Amino acid sequence: SAVISQKPSRDICQRGTSLTIQCQVDSQVTMMFWYRQQPGQSLTLIATANQGSEATYESGFVIDKFPISRPNLTFSTLTVSNMSPEDSSIYLCSVGTGVGNEQYFGPGTRLTVT
Amino acid sequence: GQSLEQPSEVTAVEGAIVQINCTYQTSGFYGLSWYQQHDGGAPTFLSYNALDGLEETGRFSSFLSRSDSYGYLLLQELQMKDSASYFCAVSAGSYQLTFGKGTKLSVIP
Repeated sequence: SAVISQKPSRDICQRGTSLTIQCQVDSQVTMMFWYRQQPGQSLTLIATANQGSEATYESGFVIDKFPISRPNLTFSTLTVSNMSPEDSSIYLCSVGTGVGNEQYFGPGTRLTVT
Repeated sequence: GQSLEQPSEVTAVEGAIVQINCTYQTSGFYGLSWYQQHDGGAPTFLSYNALDGLEETGRFSSFLSRSDSYGYLLLQELQMKDSASYFCAVSAGSYQLTFGKGTKLSVIP
């Protein structure tokens, strides 16, 4: 198993600003993912964070809005840029184990944009 | 693309058995997973089916029929702590997951 921590756990930000969310894993992992979840809704994959190369974004998500860094096999950051109230959501990172579809999720970052 | 359908809400009595169904449409398919998420918590992995049939893990079982693009999660001997949202998810490769909209299970005394 993997233990994942995220910082910050929550934040309230003003429109037009940016927030960087950190994800730290207690072991080296190949696969790391970023999701968004509106309260009470499903999880939507934003991107796969690739170590040593650019992230792979899903349809509807772009690098200018959600730049991602993955400097090593235990750490990644997701930045939510030029925020609007529509970006208010919970952002979760996860890691894949390589066994089936098993992923471990971090506790999430609850973002509110005013 | 991928799409998944599951009931939005289910209510069941403590001690009973409940089945949560999931149907999917996907251009590629590697397997069906189930995740549990309590309010305010992170999703946690429950099960994975890549082949047809039933997988059992304690009180939870999961079933897959690839020919029917259908699966279900079976929860037995329901406990109050099983009240949570349950998500089915499919992968079409590279371990990226597409989640269903989730089923909110309420267990009542």
